[in-house]
Amino acid sequence: NAGVTQTPKFRILKIGQSMTLQCAQDMNHNYMYWYRQDPGMGLKLIYYSVGAGITDKGEVPNGYNVSRSTTEDFPLRLELAAPSQTSVYFCASSWGLGEQFFGPGTRLTVL
Amino acid sequence: EDQVTQSPEALRLQEGESSSLNCSYTVSGLRGLFWYRQDPGKGPEFLFTLYSAGEEKEKERLKATLTKKESFLHITAPKPEDSATYLCAVRHQGGSEKLVFGKGTKLTVNP
Repeated sequence: NAGVTQTPKFRILKIGQSMTLQCAQDMNHNYMYWYRQDPGMGLKLIYYSVGAGITDKGEVPNGYNVSRSTTEDFPLRLELAAPSQTSVYFCASSWGLGEQFFGPGTRLTVL
Repeated sequence: EDQVTQSPEALRLQEGESSSLNCSYTVSGLRGLFWYRQDPGKGPEFLFTLYSAGEEKEKERLKATLTKKESFLHITAPKPEDSATYLCAVRHQGGSEKLVFGKGTKLTVNP
């Protein structure tokens, strides 16, 4: 099993550009999550999903959108990139409310 | 006000010098406390889940304990490969799908 995979690993965006961060899991987990991690600030939840077709906001959802059309995939969309969205983004998944398994992360820089 | 506080922020140990990391929490209705290890440039890796005061779990040189207000991660005779950032997270009844993370403790073990 590959676990949780994320693409791309790195990306540089210009202010105002859009992009989608991809996340996929092959563990048949029903719950999936998106976090951002800023230096010295810990992980902050952006959005989460409890199953295909169901998503909800986390702590810091502004500037992001998600969709969950399949159990395996949970893409994160940035519509108008801003410097404040420079961060490392982690996708995670879990079976119910058990431990979460994290992907390797996407390092995003907005200039 | 932070719901999860980890201390110290950074800790340097000599190989073989045992110590403890602290995670204190202020949430009510704890539904699980999670410990993760994060290596530089990688996603968090799950270590332990604790659910009730008095519970203890061990893995190699690591032992996690839980009281009603805090958790300790005890590291016995650490080795350089134990160097990493250790993250604590809690799930509580007010937002049971979500994990609230602390900012982490960066552990360095010198040979």
